[in-house]
Amino acid sequence: DIQMTQSPSSLSASVGDRVTITCRASQIINNYLNWYQQRPGEAPKLLIYAASSLQSGVPSRFSGSASGTDFTLTISSLQLEDFATYYCQQSYSTTWTFGQGTKVEIK
Amino acid sequence: QVQLVQSGAEVEKPGASVRVSCKASGYTFSSYGISWVRQAPGQGLEWMGWISAYNGNTDYAQKVQGRVTMTTDTSTNTAYMDLRSLRYDDTAVYYCARDYDILTGYRVLDSWGQGTRVTVSS
Repeated sequence: DIQMTQSPSSLSASVGDRVTITCRASQIINNYLNWYQQRPGEAPKLLIYAASSLQSGVPSRFSGSASGTDFTLTISSLQLEDFATYYCQQSYSTTWTFGQGTKVEIK
Repeated sequence: QVQLVQSGAEVEKPGASVRVSCKASGYTFSSYGISWVRQAPGQGLEWMGWISAYNGNTDYAQKVQGRVTMTTDTSTNTAYMDLRSLRYDDTAVYYCARDYDILTGYRVLDSWGQGTRVTVSS
């Protein structure tokens, strides 16, 4: 299986901060990389697909980028509703895998 | 709008089986797939597998291969996930999600059910 490693596992930030979360794949995945947000008690929600494409309805403060096997999710100006856990997920292989998650907490 | 409604919580003994259902509405069910994802208490997301509602093709994660069966009933627009030989570490919230071709040859999980809590306890 392709392993997805996220960092950091958690971070504390304030409203208005710029936040960056990194995900590294164990092999080349050709930008078959998605980002999901999960708020406590809720189902996950698709934010970014194909490494950098914004899902319809998702605020433009969310963006994604890729460099080889390294992928980044950036929130340009953190809002209260963005405090949640974020997961990367590869869809390159026939069996999909998620990263372990990054929890964004209020400082 | 796309909606996936899952069956209610289950409590099962170790070694038993469980079936979780996922009823879809708001789209042409047979045109897309359904993936199943689970989340153990306080843990991350784990993809379990996928089924095409078009032709019944499946892919399962190695961890549950041999214990899981995913099926669909296109007459009722319902997907099912059966898990056998339950173990304590199968305790989790189980989600179904629509497996959507957002680009040609590129699939995402764009709509999710509300989750079904399965507890394995003696």
